[in-house]
Amino acid sequence: GESVGLHLPTLSVQEGDNSIINCAYSNSASDYFIWYKQESGKGPQFIIDIRSNMDKRQGQRVTVLLNKTVKHLSLQIAATQPGDSAVYFCAEKYSSASKIIFGSGTRLSIRP
Amino acid sequence: DTEVTQTPKHLVMGMTNKKSLKCEQHMGHRAMYWYKQKAKKPPELMFVYSYEKLSINESVPSRFSPECPNSSLLNLHLHALQPEDSALYLCASSPGGGPYTQYFGPGTRLTVL
Repeated sequence: GESVGLHLPTLSVQEGDNSIINCAYSNSASDYFIWYKQESGKGPQFIIDIRSNMDKRQGQRVTVLLNKTVKHLSLQIAATQPGDSAVYFCAEKYSSASKIIFGSGTRLSIRP
Repeated sequence: DTEVTQTPKHLVMGMTNKKSLKCEQHMGHRAMYWYKQKAKKPPELMFVYSYEKLSINESVPSRFSPECPNSSLLNLHLHALQPEDSALYLCASSPGGGPYTQYFGPGTRLTVL
């Protein structure tokens, strides 16, 4: 399944399938991007980041893709597991700034 | 060690009470942050400390008073709060203000009666 931007707040995926969470960021000057996972009752947990001089970065079961032309960021989770259930936030940063700007979040739910 | 700790985990207070939230990190990070998060919303930045000095205050009401006693500790003093201040309060730290991620603590769930 695939969410089309953060105006679709919930993504439901079959266990074992791949998940794709999309994010449209706002500032063309942003040069650093982060994905966070937030489980219920916990603080946001860093998943993966990418700098603007890259268009793809891979971690363990996760891949982040960056398309600066259309200001689009995506998080791909391979072989989605029940433990992946959470709200996922993208965040952008202009590197010399102290602030990061969070997107509105996408809830990922896993169907057994 | 990429851990940010926060105490207490839960706090219930009346509108006339004074309480404090505490945050600690031992990663040698020089920037620390307070965020407020309401249900189903992203975290909202409140304050940023850089090298123990307040560098950003996002127009937060004066009933919230931050303090950075040293490079590892961050406090948030609370006084005369309103019920709408009930939220999850998150602390975060990062190595500095450059292209670094922020590491978050588990948060303090605050309820104002």
